[in-house]
Amino acid sequence: NAGVTQTPKFQVLKTGQSMTLQCAQDMNHNSMYWYRQDPGMGLRLIYYSASEGTTDKGEVPNGYNVSRLNKREFSLRLESAAPSQTSVYFCASSLGSAVETQYFGPGTRLLVL
Amino acid sequence: RKEVEQDPGPFNVPEGATVAFNCTYSNSASQSFFWYRQDCRKEPKLLMSVYSSGNEDGRFTAQLNRASQYISLLIRDSKLSDSATYLCVVSSTGGGNKLTFGTGTQLKVEL
Repeated sequence: NAGVTQTPKFQVLKTGQSMTLQCAQDMNHNSMYWYRQDPGMGLRLIYYSASEGTTDKGEVPNGYNVSRLNKREFSLRLESAAPSQTSVYFCASSLGSAVETQYFGPGTRLLVL
Repeated sequence: RKEVEQDPGPFNVPEGATVAFNCTYSNSASQSFFWYRQDCRKEPKLLMSVYSSGNEDGRFTAQLNRASQYISLLIRDSKLSDSATYLCVVSSTGGGNKLTFGTGTQLKVEL
């Protein structure tokens, strides 16, 4: 039982490049989330998916797109990376709503030059 | 004003000490409250939920004061392994599917 896994662990991009961050959970959870964490800002919700087939914007969705591929997988795509997107990205999942325990993946450290 | 505010610390305490963190939140409609723990360069993990009547889990005690809109976490008999950043987390308005995280309070327990 791996919990929540994320790939890649680290990535360096040039401005304007695109990439997809992958997330998968094996706990049969319904809800999944993407956060970013920046110094002095706390974790901020980018997008979330309350169930397979649905996605909703969080606090900071601009510059990102998501896909809930199936119940297990929730990907985050940066179409045209900008230096302001340099951050640590965490994927999380919960059995039901966000007020249930959220389980986080190990994070992806992204640097955009 | 931030939705959730915490003293960033660091709090440097000797092993065995008792330490308390406070957190204030701005939205009186918030219904659910948590403390998460985050070790350096790791992911956050739930430490405990915070209930209106206060709750305890071993050396950890959490309390909620709705009237003053603050949450506290008390750690007794601090261990070296308690060194981490403690995140105060509050449910957001507009539905139950969003949490707001504080920036965290850093704790360093020293010999």
